[in-house]
Amino acid sequence: NAGVTQTPKFRILKIGQSMTLQCTQDMNHNYMYWYRQDPGMGLKLIYYSVGAGITDKGEVPNGYNVSRSTTEDFPLRLELAAPSQTSVYFCASSPPGVETQYFGPGTRLLVL
Amino acid sequence: QKEVEQDPGPLSVPEGAIVSLNCTYSNSAFQYFMWYRQYSRKGPELLMYTYSSGNKEDGRFTAQVDKSSKYISLFIRDSQPSDSATYLCAMEGAGNNRKLIWGLGTSLAVNP
Repeated sequence: NAGVTQTPKFRILKIGQSMTLQCTQDMNHNYMYWYRQDPGMGLKLIYYSVGAGITDKGEVPNGYNVSRSTTEDFPLRLELAAPSQTSVYFCASSPPGVETQYFGPGTRLLVL
Repeated sequence: QKEVEQDPGPLSVPEGAIVSLNCTYSNSAFQYFMWYRQYSRKGPELLMYTYSSGNKEDGRFTAQVDKSSKYISLFIRDSQPSDSATYLCAMEGAGNNRKLIWGLGTSLAVNP
């Protein structure tokens, strides 16, 4: 199993551009999450999904959108990128019956 | 008051020392407690998972939960330079859609 994979590893965006951060897991986990991590600020939940077709907002959803059409994939869309979205983004997944989360390697995003 | 408090450190110890990392929390509904380790430029990885009160040991690592004091600890015995990382505590109450509440993380450096 590859676990949770994320692409790209690193990206530079100009203000106002848009992009999609990809997240795929091959563990058949029903729960999936998107976090951002900023220095000294910890992990902030952006969106989460409890299964295909079901998504909900987390703590900091503004400026982002998600979709979950399959169990495996949970892409995060940034529209109109802003410097405040410069961060490291982590995708995570969780299996049924267990509270622990398994993380991908992260995507570093720089918005200039 | 934040739901979870964690001293960010940094904590610097000599190789072989016993390390104690701690988190306090305010929500008595939390039942699941986790410690994650995050190496620089990597995603968090699960280290220890505990349900309710008590101790759990795994090799050089011991997780301790005191629900009466709303306090959790992670002890590292015979610390190694490879233990140098940021340690994050996380916790969750039942029926919270697996949304974890995270501490900010404690940065640990083990010096050879």
